[in-house]
Amino acid sequence: GAGVSQSPSNKVTEKGKDVELRCDPISGHTALYWYRQSLGQGLEFLIYFQGNSAPDKSGLPSDRFSAERTGGSVSTLTIQRTQQEDSAVYLCASSPRGGRAWSGANVLTFGAGSRLTVL
Amino acid sequence: QKEVEQNSGPLSVPEGAIASLNCTYSDRGSQSFFWYRQYSGKSPELIMSIYSNGDKEDGRFTAQLNKASQYVSLLIRDSQPSDSATYLCAGFYNQGGKLIFGQGTELSVKP
Repeated sequence: GAGVSQSPSNKVTEKGKDVELRCDPISGHTALYWYRQSLGQGLEFLIYFQGNSAPDKSGLPSDRFSAERTGGSVSTLTIQRTQQEDSAVYLCASSPRGGRAWSGANVLTFGAGSRLTVL
Repeated sequence: QKEVEQNSGPLSVPEGAIASLNCTYSDRGSQSFFWYRQYSGKSPELIMSIYSNGDKEDGRFTAQLNKASQYVSLLIRDSQPSDSATYLCAGFYNQGGKLIFGQGTELSVKP
């Protein structure tokens, strides 16, 4: 697609329910990131996928959080047994490639985010 | 120590002034750095990238990188009210290639 697409844009759920957030990256982008942004805060790294490599899950805050990326494209972030502190905007971003060496191809494009509210 | 640190602000400057935003990072192996701008309620958008020591200029924006001091800055000349936003510094951390953001600096440009 032309941009990074995220759904749903807004999700209100009750404490204890499971939620799934979806990210459709730009076609051909091999790197995909999930970040969480709480109100008035910066971007908290959650997980990073690069091609067929094992994902970097070091930012996931607890085992209630998991993510997968199917076929190297669409990614789903799942939060089980949601808690009120999970309320935040969940941002997905993709880039043509990952890695930290400068190539110009590791610039991220962000989706519009999924706003999660846990009551 | 956080991987990427910024002063949270808010930073307030008058219209037409120079706004200076600062960032430090902990990973000496980091090679490339980015400044993203985020308007309230919107997603971050890239303003500048820099990977070599020294200055990089793009219009009213100048990014500065000092690898010896592990310091990155963004200067905005002739600041405009439309520049009012949160500015996020980011750098790659460790070998894995994940991009880490600072907590952001809120900039307010007063007419």
